[in-house]
This record gives sequence, structure tokens and C-alpha cells, in this order.
Amino acid sequence: NAGVMQNPRHLVRRRGQEARLRCSPMKGHSHVYWYRQLPEEGLKFMVYLQKENIIDESGMPKERFSAEFPKEGPSILRIQQVVRGDSAAYFCASSLGVTSTDTQYFGPGTRLTVL
Amino acid sequence: AQSVTQLGSHVSVSEGALVLLRCNYSSSVPPYLFWYVQYPNQGLQLLLKYTSAATLVKGINGFEAEFKKSETSFHLTKPSAHMSDAAEYFCAVSDASGGSYIPTFGRGTSLIVHP
Repeated sequence: NAGVMQNPRHLVRRRGQEARLRCSPMKGHSHVYWYRQLPEEGLKFMVYLQKENIIDESGMPKERFSAEFPKEGPSILRIQQVVRGDSAAYFCASSLGVTSTDTQYFGPGTRLTVL
Repeated sequence: AQSVTQLGSHVSVSEGALVLLRCNYSSSVPPYLFWYVQYPNQGLQLLLKYTSAATLVKGINGFEAEFKKSETSFHLTKPSAHMSDAAEYFCAVSDASGGSYIPTFGRGTSLIVHP
């Protein structure tokens, strides 16, 4: 039973380019979460999605960032016109449900470097 | 609103010594508490979680944590440190006050183990 998969593991972009980060949840999980980790900081929640729906995007920057979780295929976090401040590790997590006892399982992350 | 404070960004111990990583939380409703471990260039792994059952929670790799409501603490301990315990440790809290159980993470504590 494969865990949460993320690709690419490392991504380098120049300022102004687009970054696309992919996340495949654990088998059977329909809840996906994206977090951003900056150096020397903890994880900051960005967005929570279920299949075809954004449930909570309160942590998502208002501009340039978007996320989707289509009926088929992985969840995508898209960053348009990247800037140096977007350089960070982006983690995806998935869970079976959203009750108090449900555990989030994390992927290995995508490390984005903006030159 | 929920928040987590991890005291000490770095903790250094000798191999075989007691490990104590501190975590204090703030929550307006009964919380659920977690400790995660992150090894270099990897995602987060769940060590243990408290979900209102026994206040002393045992996790993987010999770690345990005790929920103390009066002190709003959930400190992580291990009797004897091993070199392989060197990693970043994150405490997290979740509750239903925001309508879902999305956890809030602390800034992390880096555990350094000396031979």
C-alpha cells in the first residue's frame, strides 16, 4: 500500500515561471491538504480539498496560487509567476476522513527553488 | 483559535540520555494533540497522538507524551536517546473550533544527539 506520493521531489524555476506540484493521496483517501514549510519554521496550512471541491483555502495566498483535486488524477498545487519568496518545501497530506481520530499522512514533499 | 508553542528550537543530548521536547498549546475546546518527526529531506511521520483517551500516550520508537490539561502541555520524552533519533520534531494541535480538524503546527525542535 503506497503512501502519499509527491512529484517532483525537487523543482527549480526562474522568477516569473509557473510551478506545478503534484500529490497522489494514499489509496482510499479522498481528503488532501497542502502545507508550506519555510526554513526554520513549522508547517503552514494552505488548502484542504476533497475530490473536485476546495473545502478550506484560508491559508492560500490570494494571488498566483491555486489548487485542484480532480475526479481522476492527482491533486495539483499551481504557483503562477513565481517569486523568490515562494522558495520552500511544499508538503501534501491525505486522510481517510476528517474526524478527530483521523490521521494525516504526509508525502515526502517538493522542494521548490526560485532563482 | 488554536496555537502551539515549542520551547527551544534546538535541543542537544548525549546518546543514552533522557530526551525532553516541550510543547504547550492553546485551544478553546478540548484539543487533539500530535507529535510528528521529520528526518532530513523527508515528510512528516506521526510519532503519537492524544485523542482524549489515556493522558499518557505511547508512540513509536520508544517515545511517549503526557497530556497535562492544567499545564496545557504535551511534552515528548524518551528515556534513552539514540543517534537515529536526531531529527526535527513538530508538535501539533487540532480541534473543531474552526469547523474542521486541520492541525496547527509548532515551529519545530531540532534534536541533536551526541555520541
